[in-house]
Order: sequence, then C-alpha cells, then structure tokens
Amino acid sequence: EAGVVQSPRYKIIEKKQPVAFWCNPISGHNTLYWYRQNLGQGPELLIRYENEEAVDDSQLPKDRFSAERLKGVDSTLKIQPAELGDSAVYLCASSLTQGRTEAFFGQGTRLTVV
Amino acid sequence: GQQVMQIPQYQHVQEGEDFTTYCNSSTTLSNIQWYKQRPGGHPVFLIQLVKSGEVKKQKRLTFQFGEAKKNSSLHITATQTTDVGTYFCAGTTGRRALTFGSGTRLQVQP
Repeated sequence: EAGVVQSPRYKIIEKKQPVAFWCNPISGHNTLYWYRQNLGQGPELLIRYENEEAVDDSQLPKDRFSAERLKGVDSTLKIQPAELGDSAVYLCASSLTQGRTEAFFGQGTRLTVV
Repeated sequence: GQQVMQIPQYQHVQEGEDFTTYCNSSTTLSNIQWYKQRPGGHPVFLIQLVKSGEVKKQKRLTFQFGEAKKNSSLHITATQTTDVGTYFCAGTTGRRALTFGSGTRLQVQP
C-alpha cells in the first residue's frame, strides 16, 4: 500500500513569489492534516480536513495561506506571497479518523524562501 | 488553546543507559500518541494510549498515560544507537486536531 505522497520534496523560491504543495493521502483516509515544522520544533497544525470539509483551520494564516481538498482526496496548500519566515518543512498526514487512529506522514516539502 | 509541552528538549546518553521523556498537557486529553522522527525523516507513529493510568510496552519502550490524562511519559531501557531521533507526544482533546509537543531529541553515544 502506498503511503502519503507529497510533492515537491524541495522548493526554493524568492520572497513574494507564490508556491504550492500537493498531497495524496492514503486511500480511504478521511482525515487529512497539513502541518508546518520549523527546525528543532514539533509539527504545528495549519489545517485539518474531514473529507472535503476544513474543520480546523484556526492556525492557518489566511491572509497568505490557502488550502483545498477537492473531492475529499488530494489536497493542495498554497502560499501567496511567500515570506522569509515561511521557510520550514510542510508535512501532510492522513488518518482513518481524527485523533483516534495513527496519523501517517508524508516525506514533507522543505521550503526555502530567499 | 491546548498546549503540549515536553521535557527535556535534548538528552545525550551513553549506549546502554536509560532514557525518559515527559509530556504535559494544559488540558485533559482524550488520548495521546507518541511518534519518533529520525534525523531528516518524518514522524512515525509508535503507540496510542487512551485510558487513564494506561501502561503499554514495546520491547524496550514503556509508555504511560497519567491518571488525570494530562501527562504521559516514554521510557527507553538500555538505549541503542538505533534509538537516536526526536520523540514527540501528540494529544487530542475532543474535536481538536492532533497537537504535537516540542519533542525530545535523543542522542546515543556508542
């Protein structure tokens, strides 16, 4: 069974440019998470989907970040415009149900904003 | 909002020594999960604890969930170099999403 797939693995962009990350969760997993992880810190939740509905996006900086999960499967996370402080690893994870079953993480996208 | 804190931030042990990391939540948790992240890798699930006072073991790893369901610990007996990595606890409260602690980075000297 394929795990959570993210792309790209690495991205370097100049500040003020847009960037998008893509995630394909494990088939059948209703819950999808986007986390941001800064160096030496734990993953910080950006948004959680239950199927196609965003049910927890209180920590998503909505002025520049947006996300969607069309048809309740794949998801994209976009930043426009990017700032230097957005440099981090962006992790996508999925689980069968929220919080009661293990979350499977993708390899992450390492974003560097210069 | 819900906060999950872990101590210590970092621990360096000699191979064969024991290691413990502690996790504390500002709110009562529905359950707690533990993850391990190897350097350059992504978090990988280790275990989930649900019941008050629950204790689970996986070979040399022992996980505990506090009676009040606000704290947890992970103890590794006789560490090995393969135990190197960062250990995260992650808790859930009601409908709130999985909230991760800051992690404890373990370094094992051979």
